[in-house]
Amino acid sequence: GENVEQHPSTLSVQEGDSAVIKCTYSDSASNYFPWYKQELGKRPQLIIDIRSNVGEKKDQRIAVTLNKTAKHFSLHITETQPEDSAVYFCAASKGGSYIPTFGRGTSLIVHP
Amino acid sequence: NAGVTQTPKFRVLKTGQSMTLLCAQDMNHEYMYWYRQDPGMGLRLIHYSVGEGTTAKGEVPDGYNVSRLKKQNFLLGLESAAPSQTSVYFCASKRSGAEETQYFGPGTRLLVL
Repeated sequence: GENVEQHPSTLSVQEGDSAVIKCTYSDSASNYFPWYKQELGKRPQLIIDIRSNVGEKKDQRIAVTLNKTAKHFSLHITETQPEDSAVYFCAASKGGSYIPTFGRGTSLIVHP
Repeated sequence: NAGVTQTPKFRVLKTGQSMTLLCAQDMNHEYMYWYRQDPGMGLRLIHYSVGEGTTAKGEVPDGYNVSRLKKQNFLLGLESAAPSQTSVYFCASKRSGAEETQYFGPGTRLLVL
């Protein structure tokens, strides 16, 4: 089955810096890669996603890049703010599978 | 739309007691999921359902049972609670299809003493 590795497990940055979280996946048939943000005590919520026919997608300060050859995708957050502090999860899924595979999560801490 | 809701929000059980967690969604989603979240362990899938009347086991199904008698509801049961089942439980739902995002409920915090 699919395996998703997520790094780092913890990331500490200063406000205004950029943050990058990386995920690798094992199944080359995976074609959908969402990213979820989970604030403390809250539910995971989708912040951005990318499909396998696209190499990069941006939404204001966040962007996701996908390298299908290397089977990895990354979340980029620019100009980080304290409210970006949260746990971020990546996931991968493919046609014919009912179950997305999640990474273990990255705890991002943005220091004011 | 309320989205995905969960009942209760918090519960304390004694070892051996039983309880049912209720998940409801008003988005007409086909697929529904139950996860547990423990510190450092991410989201682990307990059971899932791809339609009314169908259920399947996930990664950590032992000690749990589920039912999906109505499309909008997905119930998670603990027949005999154990301290190892202390966790935060999230329900999620999505449309059928691989390129569809999951929508999560607010979570149920369960403490088993």
